[in-house]
Amino acid sequence: EPEVTQTPSHQVTQMGQEVILRCVPISNHLYFYWYRQILGQKVEFLVSFYNNEISEKSEIFDDQFSVERPDGSNFTLKIRSTKLEDSAMYFCASRPWTRYNPSTDTQYFGPGTRLTVL
Amino acid sequence: AQKITQTQPGMFVQEKEAVTLDCTYDTSDQSYGLFWYKQPSSGEMIFLIYQGSYDEQNATEGRYSLNFQKARKSANLVISASQLGDSAMYFCAMILSNTGNQFYFGTGTSLTVIP
Repeated sequence: EPEVTQTPSHQVTQMGQEVILRCVPISNHLYFYWYRQILGQKVEFLVSFYNNEISEKSEIFDDQFSVERPDGSNFTLKIRSTKLEDSAMYFCASRPWTRYNPSTDTQYFGPGTRLTVL
Repeated sequence: AQKITQTQPGMFVQEKEAVTLDCTYDTSDQSYGLFWYKQPSSGEMIFLIYQGSYDEQNATEGRYSLNFQKARKSANLVISASQLGDSAMYFCAMILSNTGNQFYFGTGTSLTVIP
């Protein structure tokens, strides 16, 4: 069964450094997402991406963050100048259709990248 | 505004017993989807079960069933015959078909299965 993959599984970085989290969505999916989960807290939406542009973003997704689909398969989240509070699990997700159909659609989550900012 | 509410931060269940994890949601949309995800200590998010707002029958997937009460806006997860491997965090989530862009997650319920 196709699955979303994410690399690395764990990233440790120094405060102030830039990190790039990578995701490979399921190949025929069209919508891509990033979510964040701070340890012990709920999963929070960051951004959705369709047709090579951001379609929706949350308040969390400020100028520190950017997303890109550099080629036909990867979807990346870049965090510039990381802060301690960026330490979290970051999930990538994808889904196949442009308009959500509750009868058939689901988002598929990757296994997550655990980011630790020291 | 809180769209998904999970009122049970932690639950315990005896192995082989059934357990119900509560979830209520808030939306004025008529078309939406409700999901349950399992998150073991390893951190990945595992899809368990889905219920569409127009589905008249409660969803079932193996030992998982979703007790969908639309008028009460509740979508409780029932796990039958609990196993030790069921110990994990469980998240209820909703997606609205008008936007379809993001999941709204609850705060989760930590389930511990006792041998």
